[in-house]
Amino acid sequence: GQSLEQPSEVTAVEGAIVQINCTYQTSGFYGLSWYQQHDGGAPTFLSYNGLDGLEETGRFSSFLSRSDSYGYLLLQELQMKDSASYFCAGGSGANNLFFGTGTRLTVIP
Amino acid sequence: GAGVSQSPSNKVTEKGKDVELRCDPISGHTALYWYRQSLGQGLEFLIYFQGNSAPDKSGLPSDRFSAERTGGSVSTLTIQRTQQEDSAVYLCASSLASGWGTRGTGELFFGEGSRLTVL
Repeated sequence: GQSLEQPSEVTAVEGAIVQINCTYQTSGFYGLSWYQQHDGGAPTFLSYNGLDGLEETGRFSSFLSRSDSYGYLLLQELQMKDSASYFCAGGSGANNLFFGTGTRLTVIP
Repeated sequence: GAGVSQSPSNKVTEKGKDVELRCDPISGHTALYWYRQSLGQGLEFLIYFQGNSAPDKSGLPSDRFSAERTGGSVSTLTIQRTQQEDSAVYLCASSLASGWGTRGTGELFFGEGSRLTVL
């Protein structure tokens, strides 16, 4: 089966750094993606890790460790607009993409 | 079109009726996905298409759910004899990916969804 677990909620202060973790159990795992979803909106792609290590895209970074079946999304210099739900997603050998349970991030002033 | 288009954006129906939800993917995208999202919940995988074929239908909740894709483009998700527990937002996404072993970033482009309410 496919399983990606995330913390349900995280709260952080504007300007701070926050890390959202994702642990997974998927067969035929190919890589880990991250998506952002604002309330009432569609999920939008943030980043992808096909290899172990850190990928950086502006204020966002994502990390993957295949040996630990673990990844995280790091958000720096938090802004109020970053308040949203964040989902990790794992690609499997069957060419589909399964999403994690989601983490609701609340940024406070 | 420029993005993934879904219709209707909102659908209210009575229990027991059939509904059809439509998805127009980004032109040239070979992969198409359907997900279901209940209020405040995660994305539940329903079905995946590569071209017109569906290699993975494992996520369809019951035999009341079916989906097809024609011409490698438009897809329709049909729910027969709707039940109240079918109420959710149904999201469609498309991708250039032709297989995870060859694709680049794993980026899916989502539509705004069809919100289904079964009374």
